[in-house]
Amino acid sequence: AQTVTQSQPEMSVQEAETVTLSCTYDTSENNYYLFWYKQPPSRQMILVIRQEAYKQQNATENRFSVNFQKAAKSFSLKISDSQLGDTAMYFCAFPYGGSQGNLIFGKGTKLSVKP
Amino acid sequence: DGGITQSPKYLFRKEGQNVTLSCEQNLNHDAMYWYRQDPGQGLRLIYYSQIVNDFQKGDIAEGYSVSREKKESFPLTVTSAQKNPTAFYLCASSIGGVTANYGYTFGSGTRLTVV
Repeated sequence: AQTVTQSQPEMSVQEAETVTLSCTYDTSENNYYLFWYKQPPSRQMILVIRQEAYKQQNATENRFSVNFQKAAKSFSLKISDSQLGDTAMYFCAFPYGGSQGNLIFGKGTKLSVKP
Repeated sequence: DGGITQSPKYLFRKEGQNVTLSCEQNLNHDAMYWYRQDPGQGLRLIYYSQIVNDFQKGDIAEGYSVSREKKESFPLTVTSAQKNPTAFYLCASSIGGVTANYGYTFGSGTRLTVV
């Protein structure tokens, strides 16, 4: 079975600090993409960052970066210089069944950024 | 601007009633998806469609039905057979085929409540 696990149901961070959200997954595939989505209180799902498993270099999008450890099947999201607008649910996702599969999502981590 | 439109934003259903949630996209995406979101459960796949006039059951299809008569539209009907329909429903689309690699674009969701 292919699964995605987010072990931190809730986290909090002070504004301007750095926080890391963890995600582990299980797959027998060799080439795939991994995703982090953000769901703010508006409930609109927004793609934050994606990582190709074939690339050793970790993806970066402004203040968001990933720590991808393929052998360990770990895909954590680091948010630097946290802002109040980062307060949201964060979901890790990847396509099961390989690159042509449907996305499966973790249960999410609720992040609160405190002033 | 291209995007996905879900309507209505809020929907109330009486016991024993069927209701239909609308999802329309103008992104020219081939694939469309319906997810259900419950607190602490992440997103669970209800149905998906890779091409017009074809659709497949996801993990929790019981009590739901869909149609895909047009590329732009993928309505979801919640039937009276769905015993616990109160949830937040998200529609998504992607280019399809191998491009689950690009992730999904999501609508803004419909909150369904049984009264």
